Amino acid sequence: GDSVTQMEGPVTLSEEAFLTINCTYTATGYPSLFWYVQYPGEGLQLLLKATKADDKGSNKGFEATYRKETTSFHLEKGSVQVSDSAVYFCALSDRSGGTALIFGKGTTLSVSS
Amino acid sequence: KAGVTQTPRYLIKTRGQQVTLSCSPISGHRSVSWYQQTPGQGLQFLFEYFSETQRNKGNFPGRFSGRQFSNSRSEMNVSTLELGDSALYLCASSAARPDTDTQYFGPGTRLTVL
Repeated sequence: GDSVTQMEGPVTLSEEAFLTINCTYTATGYPSLFWYVQYPGEGLQLLLKATKADDKGSNKGFEATYRKETTSFHLEKGSVQVSDSAVYFCALSDRSGGTALIFGKGTTLSVSS
Repeated sequence: KAGVTQTPRYLIKTRGQQVTLSCSPISGHRSVSWYQQTPGQGLQFLFEYFSETQRNKGNFPGRFSGRQFSNSRSEMNVSTLELGDSALYLCASSAARPDTDTQYFGPGTRLTVL
């Protein structure tokens, strides 16, 4: 079945460092891809999405490009802030008659000043 | 526009009891999905309701059930609670086409089973 694999965490960075969180997927169709972020004690917030190959999603300085040839959707940010500390989830939706999301295990990011 | 709301936010139950959780979607959203989040299994899809009908179901036992009302509000019920049901239960809503597959999440209900 469909699946999402994320790099293991935690990821620990200093403020203003470059961030990459790797995400690869397995899907039989043409899924939509998402990054969600979860702050402590809260639900999930949509960070960005991409619905077709070569689409680039971006929000709040974060970017991810839908790469069909490598089945990847890596999250990047050029300069992280302490406030970016959270858990990041990569997810896909196969759109086969519903909206069920399949999530990766999540990557914890910790940014220190 | 108000976001997805879930009640209650925290719940403590004992084994064998049953529990009902409630979710109010974003105004105008007709699809409501439920997810279970645990440290061991991560985020897992429970079921989705659209226009009061279950449209999709994850791999959970029949003790987990749900329903949706005509105003799109949804409830999920867990009967005969087990210790392993302790989790954060997240509700998400999405709009009708063309933005069908973007889900917006509520803050969750933290269920503890003792």
